[in-house]
Amino acid sequence: RKEVEQDPGPFNVPEGATVAFNCTYSNSASQSFFWYRQDCRKEPKLLMSVYSSGNEDGRFTAQLNRASQYISLLIRDSKLSDSATYLCVVNWAGRRALTFGSGTRLQVQP
Amino acid sequence: DAEITQSPRHKITETGRQVTLACHQTWNHNNMFWYRQDLGHGLRLIHYSYGVHDTNKGEVSDGYSVSRSNTEDLPLTLESAASSQTSVYFCASSDVGLENTEAFFGQGTRLTVV
Repeated sequence: RKEVEQDPGPFNVPEGATVAFNCTYSNSASQSFFWYRQDCRKEPKLLMSVYSSGNEDGRFTAQLNRASQYISLLIRDSKLSDSATYLCVVNWAGRRALTFGSGTRLQVQP
Repeated sequence: DAEITQSPRHKITETGRQVTLACHQTWNHNNMFWYRQDLGHGLRLIHYSYGVHDTNKGEVSDGYSVSRSNTEDLPLTLESAASSQTSVYFCASSDVGLENTEAFFGQGTRLTVV
């Protein structure tokens, strides 16, 4: 079983739609959680950290459910520029290397 | 501005050859990492380093080695390149001791082993 699992998609949505991605992790000692964004053939970049209480950054909302060991990302009012692969990322106490999910591809269509 | 750079960006090599991929960061980060990215697998950790002269194996370290002689550089060496090592390689760095800090990635090296 992979340590971090995501639905690969693709999620094809029209502009303006709301879309949600989920991610599950297997290591209960996981401590830090992130969503990274990766554009085609580019390097991953941090989109947002995920905090226990949930957090929002503009149109993006991240939630963490430690009991069920899953993380979610909600994107409201999708833009064409949101088209990318979204990587769920975790690490656990004492380890600074990040563990990545395989990513969920989002395609926003006009 | 601080940055992390990889070289070369693209390389084609033959099976059995030794190849070294360079990674250089000017963030003064103690933590450096090498990942490979393949379709369907996401990014997988090859090796990592928490500081000068420190190196550790990741999940897919067989056939790879690293050395850390200074803070800025973590070169990745493929001892004897194999076709299974055809991949996109990303180097990353992050601040010392802080699990919740952002990792910064280089632009990647696309390696083809023929």
